[in-house]
Amino acid sequence: DQQVKQNSPSLSVQEGRISILNCDYTNSMFDYFLWYKKYPAEGPTFLISISSIKDKNEDGRFTVFLNKSAKHLSLHIVPSQPGDSAVYFCAAREYGNKLVFGAGTILRVKS
Amino acid sequence: GAGVSQSPRYKVAKRGQDVALRCDPISGHVSLFWYQQALGQGPEFLTYFQNEAQLDKSGLPSDRFFAERPEGSVSTLKIQRTQQEDSAVYLCASSLFSGSADTQYFGPGTRLTVL
Repeated sequence: DQQVKQNSPSLSVQEGRISILNCDYTNSMFDYFLWYKKYPAEGPTFLISISSIKDKNEDGRFTVFLNKSAKHLSLHIVPSQPGDSAVYFCAAREYGNKLVFGAGTILRVKS
Repeated sequence: GAGVSQSPRYKVAKRGQDVALRCDPISGHVSLFWYQQALGQGPEFLTYFQNEAQLDKSGLPSDRFFAERPEGSVSTLKIQRTQQEDSAVYLCASSLFSGSADTQYFGPGTRLTVL
């Protein structure tokens, strides 16, 4: 029973264009959502987060949108750069602080 | 600028052996987490410490898994009588406090292969 789902295993985008990574969740008790980025042989690196009381959070080229009624969030990267090529994990936090992760989306930005 | 460190980075064990994986969190971080990441999957929660207290061990898959953090800093994840299904990357994360908005910082992980 996957509580956090990333339905696209991979995404390929041209450099300079927008990358949109999607995530769906089922547990309405989640109160905080995060995106992590992971390079091979490294641990996940925190990218951006959003509280469940907001619908948008922006940090430079990265924007996260939350649609609570649809239990959906997305990460937008504009403009995409080759260095953004990595695995992106969506994660949600419930009480007790543990994170529940999706399976990840491999982003490839072509130059 | 020390982040979270883990050792060893790679461990090969024969089935039935015991292993111990170490995590050094960021200095001063109150909370420490262990996650297990199977190939092609996202990390899955194993256990959580606040200082030396293990507050949640609901994710430990069996009683062969044991974690400790006796002095509230370094933590060890021990797996007894390893099985092939234990093969995974074991990730440690720490956060400064224990609030829900606290960012968890991850170490590079230990890749365990059980033959």
